Amino acid sequence: GAVVSQHPSRVICKSGTSVKIECRSLDFQATTMFWYRQFPKKSLMLMATSNEGSKATYEQGVEKDKFLINHASLTLSTLTVTSAHPEDSSFYICSARTPNTGELFFGEGSRLTVL
Amino acid sequence: AQSVSQHNHHVILSEAASLELGCNYSYGGTVNLFWYVQYPGQHLQLLLKYFSGDPLVKGIKGFEAEFIKSKFSFNLRKPSVQWSDTAEYFCAVNAATGNQFYFGTGTSLTVIP
Repeated sequence: GAVVSQHPSRVICKSGTSVKIECRSLDFQATTMFWYRQFPKKSLMLMATSNEGSKATYEQGVEKDKFLINHASLTLSTLTVTSAHPEDSSFYICSARTPNTGELFFGEGSRLTVL
Repeated sequence: AQSVSQHNHHVILSEAASLELGCNYSYGGTVNLFWYVQYPGQHLQLLLKYFSGDPLVKGIKGFEAEFIKSKFSFNLRKPSVQWSDTAEYFCAVNAATGNQFYFGTGTSLTVIP
């Protein structure tokens, strides 16, 4: 099946710094990618839809200035958590939808810990 | 926006028991429906999906789900679970005219050998 890869898988940073997470579709082109946040014992919360070549679409309640999304190519979307705080610590998952089957494939996730 | 409800938060079964996990969604239009599974330490994988046609869909590893439009439900079933089915199960809905996927809160399944 299609492969979506995230990097880094784990990152620890100090409060106030920015962290960038990459999401790549390895064997297909994805005009749209999605960023989710997964809380412990909770479901995946859709944060935003990343659109290649245009601005991301954010879900209600998600701060676009804090969670910067860039989708510069058909195989790469990045999520930058700016001025991270401990409450931003979470598991961030990206996904991409294959153009042919419409299935959603997920990356391995990135665990962010903000000290 | 769509919403998805999974009423079973944590299910514990013995091996060979039958499984049914509930999933209800709220959206008035045409939807695509999915069940995803997350095994311990692994990323989400597709179990099965419904786009159209036969409302009873079969997925991998013996799982099946039935779409009942009148009840806005898409329950997941397996006649006989195995220890290896221990995982987190997520129901998801996607409006047929849209891109976003919305997930339920997940059901944690523990199968006791």
